Amino acid sequence: DSGVTQTPKHLITATGQRVTLRCSPRSGDLSVYWYQQSLDQGLQFLIQYYNGEERAKGNILERFSAQQFPDLHSELNLSSLELGDSALYFCASSKQGAPHYEQYFGPGTRLTVT
Amino acid sequence: GQQLNQSPQSMFIQEGEDVSMNCTSSSIFNTWLWYKQDPGEGPVLLIALYKAGELTSNGRLTAQFGITRKDSFLNISASIPSDVGIYFCRVNTDKLIFGTGTRLQVFP
Repeated sequence: DSGVTQTPKHLITATGQRVTLRCSPRSGDLSVYWYQQSLDQGLQFLIQYYNGEERAKGNILERFSAQQFPDLHSELNLSSLELGDSALYFCASSKQGAPHYEQYFGPGTRLTVT
Repeated sequence: GQQLNQSPQSMFIQEGEDVSMNCTSSSIFNTWLWYKQDPGEGPVLLIALYKAGELTSNGRLTAQFGITRKDSFLNISASIPSDVGIYFCRVNTDKLIFGTGTRLQVFP
């Protein structure tokens, strides 16, 4: 158990809909990262937040957005969903001041768009 | 853009065999990391390498930071069924790039 929690575990929704994925980082971690992993694909970095502020952006679509709240939990919002958005979405967290690579991953949310 | 290519893409081996995989890039990096992803789980950091030529072990796992700083290697000795999963390399850039992955299957 990494200490990072993600909800829900599974989500099934229809095209055109909007969903929100939630992540709670490890206790004491200020940075949250979001990743997308499609079937048979590697991990694609989407976005990073540090202490409530956006820190780095990867291959995140305009239909996707994220935020980090004062209690440090983060939400990833996916809108106008398309079939190709079906994937595993992982959240990871790291401590303040830690290099980017000391990340601890949550168990993921599996999104299925039908 | 930057890319990390892992080889082989898949491996099917028998329990007890040794495994070797590598990760290459056209760019130079100062840190190489290896992760393992169990089926249905998030990746877990196995080994971090900080210096060109460095050889680091973690139990049956040994990883090396290539001398050119453009590649890294991961070896698993005497594989066991729980070694099954996908092994990813990663480097320390702002883009947080993961390699393409090596999928390992171990048969008893």
